[in-house]
Amino acid sequence: DQQVKQNSPSLSVQEGRISILNCDYTNSMFDYFLWYKKYPAEGPTFLISISSIKDKNEDGRFTVFLNKSAKHLSLHIVPSQPGDSAVYFCAASEVNRDDKIIFGKGTRLHILP
Amino acid sequence: GAGVSQSPRYKVAKRGQDVALRCDPISGHVSLFWYQQALGQGPEFLTYFQNEAQLDKSGLPSDRFFAERPEGSVSTLKIQRTQQEDSAVYLCASSQMDVPLRAGNTIYFGEGSWLTVV
Repeated sequence: DQQVKQNSPSLSVQEGRISILNCDYTNSMFDYFLWYKKYPAEGPTFLISISSIKDKNEDGRFTVFLNKSAKHLSLHIVPSQPGDSAVYFCAASEVNRDDKIIFGKGTRLHILP
Repeated sequence: GAGVSQSPRYKVAKRGQDVALRCDPISGHVSLFWYQQALGQGPEFLTYFQNEAQLDKSGLPSDRFFAERPEGSVSTLKIQRTQQEDSAVYLCASSQMDVPLRAGNTIYFGEGSWLTVV
């Protein structure tokens, strides 16, 4: 039973436009959410995170939005650049369980020239 | 070292063979994690060490999987009597603090060890 769901396996976006990656979760005990980016043959790298006490966190071109009532979060990338082409993993951890991060299956983002 | 280093990068094992995967975390990092990533899936938690203590091994799929970190730095993940379903990328990650996330800390992943069981 997947606790973190990324229902879009892939997404293609024109360079310069906005990329929106979506993530849903089922576990109401999750209180910290993260996005990781992964290039082929490399390990995931941390991108941005958000605590459940917030509904938005911004870092440069990347913004994460959290809707707790809908158990939904999204990652916005504006403007999209060719180097953003990668697999993006949504992840979450429970209250008092920092040691265990639960990952979604990932969404492959293609930035088109 | 500059990052988390894992070896071997690629391993082909015959079914029934034992394998050992090594992880060198970033120097001084207290926390160390092992994750398993099957093809088309996200990473799945296996086990967590704080220094030499294995605080959580709830994700290890069977008693064929064993992890250790005897001196609180290098860690080894051992898989005994490998099966085809063990084929995956095994990711090691480390974190500077003993509270990995809440203090704005980050977990750094290695490039992974790709295991194929034939």
